[in-house]
Amino acid sequence: KQEVTQIPAALSVPEGENLVLNCSFTDSAIYNLQWFRQDPGKGLTSLLLIQSSQREQTSGRLNASLDKSSGRSTLYIAASQPGDSATYLCAVGFHNTDKLIFGTGTRLQVFP
Amino acid sequence: DAGVIQSPRHEVTEMGQEVTLRCKPISGHNSLFWYRQTMMRGLELLIYFNNNVPIDDSGMPEDRFSAKMPNASFSTLKIQPSEPRDSAVYFCASSSGSGGLTGELFFGEGSRLTVL
Repeated sequence: KQEVTQIPAALSVPEGENLVLNCSFTDSAIYNLQWFRQDPGKGLTSLLLIQSSQREQTSGRLNASLDKSSGRSTLYIAASQPGDSATYLCAVGFHNTDKLIFGTGTRLQVFP
Repeated sequence: DAGVIQSPRHEVTEMGQEVTLRCKPISGHNSLFWYRQTMMRGLELLIYFNNNVPIDDSGMPEDRFSAKMPNASFSTLKIQPSEPRDSAVYFCASSSGSGGLTGELFFGEGSRLTVL
């Protein structure tokens, strides 16, 4: 069964810290991996999309890496701010099932 | 572009009633997805369309659920009859990937359904 796991489930850090969110998946045959942000009561906002041929993607203070062989991706957030507080989800597009599978998310709180 | 547009944003109904959720994907996107989100099960894919054709509906929980995409700019998800366990947030998403899963996915704001 293809699964996507995110650790930790919740994280609380002071403003200014650099932090890493983890995503692991059970099958290396993937199309791509996408990181999303979800604010309470809102939809998901796409942050970064990494194709299977890529190793990383960067957008502003965000950097996402992909290691297919180990079935892992990390989202690095530099100099965290209270506005970064949200739930972060990763989603993996698997070849065999032709589906995008979501992790359960990491709920991040950045306090001033 | 206005993004993916869903309606209604909130729906409260009684058990047994029919519910219709609507979605307008981003213009030019050829893949459309319906997801359901609950605290217990997270985000679940219900069905997805590519070029208006249903490709995979294996996530549709039972025959009470149906989805249509009559044209490239409109899709509906219908629940008939609704039950309390259908209470969830239903999201519509679209992408322009050629195979449905290769493009970046854009989500609507969701329709929060409460069945009493």
